[in-house]
Amino acid sequence: EDKVVQSPLSLVVHEGDTVTLNCSYEVTNFRSLLWYKQEKKAPTFLFMLTSSGIEKKSGRLSSILDKKELFSILNITATQTGDSAVYLCAVSAGGTSYGKLTFGQGTILTVHP
Amino acid sequence: SAVISQKPSRDICQRGTSLTIQCQVDSQVTMMFWYRQQPGQSLTLIATANQGSEATYESGFVIDKFPISRPNLTFSTLTVSNMSPEDSSIYLCSVKRTGTSNNEQFFGPGTRLTVL
Repeated sequence: EDKVVQSPLSLVVHEGDTVTLNCSYEVTNFRSLLWYKQEKKAPTFLFMLTSSGIEKKSGRLSSILDKKELFSILNITATQTGDSAVYLCAVSAGGTSYGKLTFGQGTILTVHP
Repeated sequence: SAVISQKPSRDICQRGTSLTIQCQVDSQVTMMFWYRQQPGQSLTLIATANQGSEATYESGFVIDKFPISRPNLTFSTLTVSNMSPEDSSIYLCSVKRTGTSNNEQFFGPGTRLTVL
């Protein structure tokens, strides 16, 4: 059974801090790893990673995948209160599981002013 | 990204009743999925909505409880039948676009269901 584990489960920081969120996975026939930000109901797409060692970057957010060690990290620099959200990691597999996402438990990030 | 809408955005229902949730996409998509997020939990896949055929359900989810329709490439419905308080969740549809070779998936705004 495919499995995704995120750590930490929650994190409280102050504005300006840098945070690193972790995601490890065990999946048969891995295709990609995706990061989402969830503030109210709908997860908002952040990144999709398919290749090891290639950093994806968007503003203050960046992410990288290690397919050998089966994990990914999401970095947020110079955090702002608007970064407060649940960050979800999901993996997508191929074969009969094509298109389906298996999610981790999420990391609750709270940024205080 | 695709523009996805869901109706209703929220509802409060009595136990034993049924609710149908609609998901509309602004363009044709290859795959549509329905997820559930119970309070304090992460997202769990309910089923893949197949166009023109029966949905494919994940372990623990059955058609009698969660009937799904997908009459075309831009629309799907999920019905939560004979509801109980344990069905109180956020229900989300997600889509994978036609023609992409990757697995980017986008989510609708969600339906927050409370069953009394």
